[in-house]
Amino acid sequence: QSVLTQPPSVSAAPGQKVTISCSGSSSNIGNNYLSWYQQLPGTAPKLLIYDNNKRPSGIPDRFSGSKSGTSATLGITGLQTGDEADYYCGTWDSSLSAVVFGGGTRLTVL
Amino acid sequence: QVQLQESGPGLVKPSETLSLTCTVFGGSVTSGSHYWSWIRQPPGKGLEWIGYIYYSGSIKYNPSLKSRVTISVDTSKNQFSLKLSSVTAADTAVYYCARAIAGGVDYWGQGTLVTVSS
Repeated sequence: QSVLTQPPSVSAAPGQKVTISCSGSSSNIGNNYLSWYQQLPGTAPKLLIYDNNKRPSGIPDRFSGSKSGTSATLGITGLQTGDEADYYCGTWDSSLSAVVFGGGTRLTVL
Repeated sequence: QVQLQESGPGLVKPSETLSLTCTVFGGSVTSGSHYWSWIRQPPGKGLEWIGYIYYSGSIKYNPSLKSRVTISVDTSKNQFSLKLSSVTAADTAVYYCARAIAGGVDYWGQGTLVTVSS
């Protein structure tokens, strides 16, 4: 069981919007920065969002992040078939003194 | 542009020690507020953080692996390394070396599959 909880899968049609949730506690999401990663099949994860809502250079503004209390959300608009991937949230857990990740969410663009 | 490259054996026998090295290109393991990290991913499963060595030299390990893990740095070669002792089949995974900042992991190696089998 992962410390951070994500839905196993989400799906939406091309051009639509999808959100992926990440739920935790005060020892992790509630008091630390959250990041989001995209992992395309057979490749290493790529940073999509850091510091809860900031995008690294080169990440399109179709991707957005938000945080409220002990939960966070990744939003993807204008879905493309190339967005089909696994998405992970991650943060520091102050109680465990460890970096923790969600179990991952598989996005299917129908 | 920072690049990281893992190297090491792809097959390790049970009870032996897994050893991997990460070479950093385009950046220095001694500069900036960076956490030089190891993360693994068992086949078909999610990400698991193993530990990091901070640019200042301080080290943190995942409590679940702490008794078996050693992370070190070789500044002369701009490399950092992972040793995981007493491995079992459960340690079979793709091992990634990565650079982290306070807010996330911004650069990842391509990953290397390590299989534990006799």
